[in-house]
Amino acid sequence: AQKITQTQPGMFVQEKEAVTLDCTYDTSDQSYGLFWYKQPSSGEMIFLIYQGSYDEQNATEGRYSLNFQKARKSANLVISASQLGDSAMYFCATMNDNYGQNFVFGPGTRLSVLP
Amino acid sequence: NAGVTQTPKFQVLKTGQSMTLQCAQDMNHEYMSWYRQDPGMGLRLIHYSVGAGITDQGEVPNGYNVSRSTTEDFPLRLLSAAPSQTSVYFCASSRTSGRATDTQYFGPGTRLTVL
Repeated sequence: AQKITQTQPGMFVQEKEAVTLDCTYDTSDQSYGLFWYKQPSSGEMIFLIYQGSYDEQNATEGRYSLNFQKARKSANLVISASQLGDSAMYFCATMNDNYGQNFVFGPGTRLSVLP
Repeated sequence: NAGVTQTPKFQVLKTGQSMTLQCAQDMNHEYMSWYRQDPGMGLRLIHYSVGAGITDQGEVPNGYNVSRSTTEDFPLRLLSAAPSQTSVYFCASSRTSGRATDTQYFGPGTRLTVL
């Protein structure tokens, strides 16, 4: 079974600084995807970034990048130049190629950006 | 494009009542799913569907029924509401049948309270 671990229940970062949110995963599958979602206080789930297990380069989307270390089974999210609007819960998730039910979420990290 | 829509946004039920949470998507996605989010936890999969006429159970299916008569709609039925079903419910969809490369897009959520 897949499992996602996010060891940081809460993080603080100063505005304009970079921050890394940790995510480790446990899977025996060869083909899988890793996702990060943002959940602001309004409650919606916003897709941020995706990394495939066979992708050799780390994924980037604007200020978001995913530090993918396959051997360590880690998929950390890096947010550069933090903004006040980045304050939210962040969830790491994984999906493998077994159809249907294998989209598994971690418990989340609450990020607070300080002015 | 409306994306994934959910109704209602808020609902209060009494123990034993039944109700249906509505979910619709206009992206012609094959895969749809329902999650619940409890405080301090990530999302847990309740039921999913890989296409019209096909549904299956996720991690926490007890007390819930689903059907998928059309590609667009995926309602979630609470048969006899219990206080343990107090949660925020999210519907999600993705392009194909839950493969590792498929990003899931989420609806805005329904906050359900069972008294």
